[in-house]
Amino acid sequence: QEPLQQWGAGLLKPSETLSLYCAVYVGSFSDYYWSWIRQAPGKGLEWIGEINHSGTATYNPSLKSRVTISVDTSKNQFSLILTSVSAADTAVYYCARQQLLSRWFHPWGHGVRVTVSS
Amino acid sequence: DIAMTQSPDSLAVSLGERATINCKSSQTILYSSNNKNYLAWYQQKAGQPPKLLIYWASTRESGVPDRFSGSGSETDFTLTITSLQAEDVAVYYCQQYYGTPPTFGQGTKVEIK
Repeated sequence: QEPLQQWGAGLLKPSETLSLYCAVYVGSFSDYYWSWIRQAPGKGLEWIGEINHSGTATYNPSLKSRVTISVDTSKNQFSLILTSVSAADTAVYYCARQQLLSRWFHPWGHGVRVTVSS
Repeated sequence: DIAMTQSPDSLAVSLGERATINCKSSQTILYSSNNKNYLAWYQQKAGQPPKLLIYWASTRESGVPDRFSGSGSETDFTLTITSLQAEDVAVYYCQQYYGTPPTFGQGTKVEIK
């Protein structure tokens, strides 16, 4: 079983809402922070935000107005909501685990490819 | 945001030879209170998620071959692959976690010559 399993809709129209989910099967959910990171086609990596088991979230200021990250500790899952998507949000979205005090990421989910197109 | 700039964008190295990737941050990422550099390196093979190689600039993640090593401090860092193997073909990224948001370099593509 993969340590992080992701799922969610892969094709959206402009202005729709992206919803992705990540289930955690590695380590104690409360001992880490949990992040979303995306990679646009042929581009580098962009951190979207993080959350801990208590629901405390921090977001990238560049996306903050459109992002919500939530946690469901009963299921060891966390989720990403990104509103008002556009073509610029087309990317592979990864979930990842990070240390409590240090934002290096390991392991990563397999990624979900999200395409925004009319 | 702290900008991370890698060089070169790509390099081709013969099997068994050394590959060197540089990463420069726009400000220091050395935290003076603990004397640690807040830098990680990742390897991303085609169609796969990134894989953590190194954190704290020079600490290898468990299971990473010792031909991978990291060095540097403050604003200038290096990832070295001694004796390049065929399975090392990938894109390599540096990442700083000193500031919020954490940011990544643009990537360096390593190929076999």
